[in-house]
Amino acid sequence: SQTIHQWPATLVQPVGSPLSLECTVEGTSNPNLYWYRQAAGRGLQLLFYSVGIGQISSEVPQNLSASRPQDRQFILSSKKLLLSDSGFYLCAWSVRLAAPGWETQYFGPGTRLLVL
Amino acid sequence: GENVEQHPSTLSVQEGDSAVIKCTYSDSASNYFPWYKQELGKGPQLIIDIRSNVGEKKDQRIAVTLNKTAKHFSLHITETQPEDSAVYFCAASKGFNKFYFGSGTKLNVKP
Repeated sequence: SQTIHQWPATLVQPVGSPLSLECTVEGTSNPNLYWYRQAAGRGLQLLFYSVGIGQISSEVPQNLSASRPQDRQFILSSKKLLLSDSGFYLCAWSVRLAAPGWETQYFGPGTRLLVL
Repeated sequence: GENVEQHPSTLSVQEGDSAVIKCTYSDSASNYFPWYKQELGKGPQLIIDIRSNVGEKKDQRIAVTLNKTAKHFSLHITETQPEDSAVYFCAASKGFNKFYFGSGTKLNVKP
């Protein structure tokens, strides 16, 4: 079966410090990968998605970047954190279909980031 | 782009009662509608989904209905239990890696 891991689970960082959050998927190959942010009490905002190694699409302009160095690894980064970067960051994966379709997304456990 | 609205934002029911959460969407091309349950401090977990070629789907105490004409879909939970307490999210997608989520409904099932 497939599993998705995220770490760290929680992180407290000062403003202006760098960030690196990691997500890995097991039990599947060539997945689509996603990063979402969830502000307290709010819905999910798609930040980035990737359909393959080195292929990153950004959904919103921001202080963050994403990379996919390996097929099942997705990294969210920042050079300098802002207070507004605080939130709950979720990684998700879906099966990559030959043609665009109804890919079900499966979420990881999340990373809670607090920027002070 | 797609706009998904979800109501109510909070819902309290007595154990054993039914709970209904409703979502509307704006893009008639959306054809896949999943529902997620998120417990405190955890990632959302898929509980049920429906595709646009069916009007209703049921899985034990959970059911989802879809009205394509009116562009709305609903989650129905029967015989609610305290462990059903969580935040529920609806979403809509027409593929192409884009999912649009509702703002969530906090369900509280009182024992």
